[in-house]
Amino acid sequence: DAGVTQSPTHLIKTRGQQVTLRCSPKSGHDTVSWYQQALGQGPQFIFQYYEEEERQRGNFPDRFSGHQFPNYSSELNVNALLLGDSALYLCASSLAGVRYGYTFGSGTRLTVV
Amino acid sequence: QQQVKQSPQSLIVQKGGIPIINCAYENTAFDYFPWYQQFPGKGPALLIAIRPDVSEKKEGRFTISFNKSAKQFSLHIMDSQPGDSATYFCAANSDGSRLTFGEGTQLTVNP
Repeated sequence: DAGVTQSPTHLIKTRGQQVTLRCSPKSGHDTVSWYQQALGQGPQFIFQYYEEEERQRGNFPDRFSGHQFPNYSSELNVNALLLGDSALYLCASSLAGVRYGYTFGSGTRLTVV
Repeated sequence: QQQVKQSPQSLIVQKGGIPIINCAYENTAFDYFPWYQQFPGKGPALLIAIRPDVSEKKEGRFTISFNKSAKQFSLHIMDSQPGDSATYFCAANSDGSRLTFGEGTQLTVNP
């Protein structure tokens, strides 16, 4: 039973470019949340998707957007990349209504140069 | 009010020692307090979690102590091992969705 799968594992982009990160949730999960983890910091909530809609959003600018597909997989898009966007981007999946089944992927390491 | 403050930032103990990591919160709506363990290059993995209606929970060598009146909770690792060396995060949430994380504690257990 595969856990949460994220791709790519590493990515290097130039300031001003756009990036798309992908996440496949754990089998049986229907909700996907995205987190940004800067080096040496705790993860910060970006947004959550359920039933293909953004349900909650953290304190991130509109440059950060997402999408959820009918198979529950999700994408995180970041436009106009800044150096400060360099971080580990984590995807977590869960089952709606179940508090304790949050499962994280290993993340995508994004470096903006 | 959404912050969770965690201390210490780093901790070094000898094998067999009992490291203690502390967290404090302000938002009284929080009602679920998990601890996560993260190894380099990996995502956080759930270690143990507690609800505020109990004061202590044990799972193997890991114990959470919870003080609702002080809005504080802590993680104790009994008989620590070098394999426990990792970064530990406390977290909290109130509605089953977003998790609010502490800043993390880098634990080193020396052989």
